[in-house]
Amino acid sequence: DSGVTQTPKHLITATGQRVTLRCSPRSGDLSVYWYQQSLDQGLQFLIHYYNGEERAKGNILERFSAQQFPDLHSELNLSSLELGDSALYFCASSPRHGNSPLHFGNGTRLTVT
Amino acid sequence: GESVGLHLPTLSVQEGDNSIINCAYSNSASDYFIWYKQESGKGPQFIIDIRSNMDKRQGQRVTVLLNKTVKHLSLQIAATQPGDSAVYFCAENIQSGGSNYKLTFGKGTLLTVNP
Repeated sequence: DSGVTQTPKHLITATGQRVTLRCSPRSGDLSVYWYQQSLDQGLQFLIHYYNGEERAKGNILERFSAQQFPDLHSELNLSSLELGDSALYFCASSPRHGNSPLHFGNGTRLTVT
Repeated sequence: GESVGLHLPTLSVQEGDNSIINCAYSNSASDYFIWYKQESGKGPQFIIDIRSNMDKRQGQRVTVLLNKTVKHLSLQIAATQPGDSAVYFCAENIQSGGSNYKLTFGKGTLLTVNP
């Protein structure tokens, strides 16, 4: 068990809808990262927060947004969902930003129908 | 265009043999590298890391080798066990501006261990 908790485990929704994925980092970790894993794109970095502030953005669509709250949990909001957004969404945490291992949760599997 | 599945390189070994999984990384400025193991239905699990000022690091049954000249990383697993069957990813830490980094993953290698 990595100590990173993601909810929900599974989510099925329709195109055009909006969903929120939640992540609780390991105790003491200040950095939270979001990744998308799909069959044809592998693991893609979306966004990184450190102690409540956005630090880096990757291939995140404008329809997606995220935030990290004062208690360090994070939410990833996906709106105007399309079929192609179906994927596994992983959250990872680390004690700081920079050269330290990321510890991943078990992901949220999003299915858009 | 047509969407195709991610065709992972595969490695099939016999239980008890040593496994070597290779990875080419992209950025000569990357200074930190990690190997992850991902089992079906789970998130990537940290195995071992190495900084660019080293060329070898050993863990329990695993060794990572780094060749910066050719931008190559390898993971060696000794006495491979059925529980080692998984997809293995290498990841490089690329500086994205200032003191910010993003961990970029390779495509992965599927390791199958035959009993």
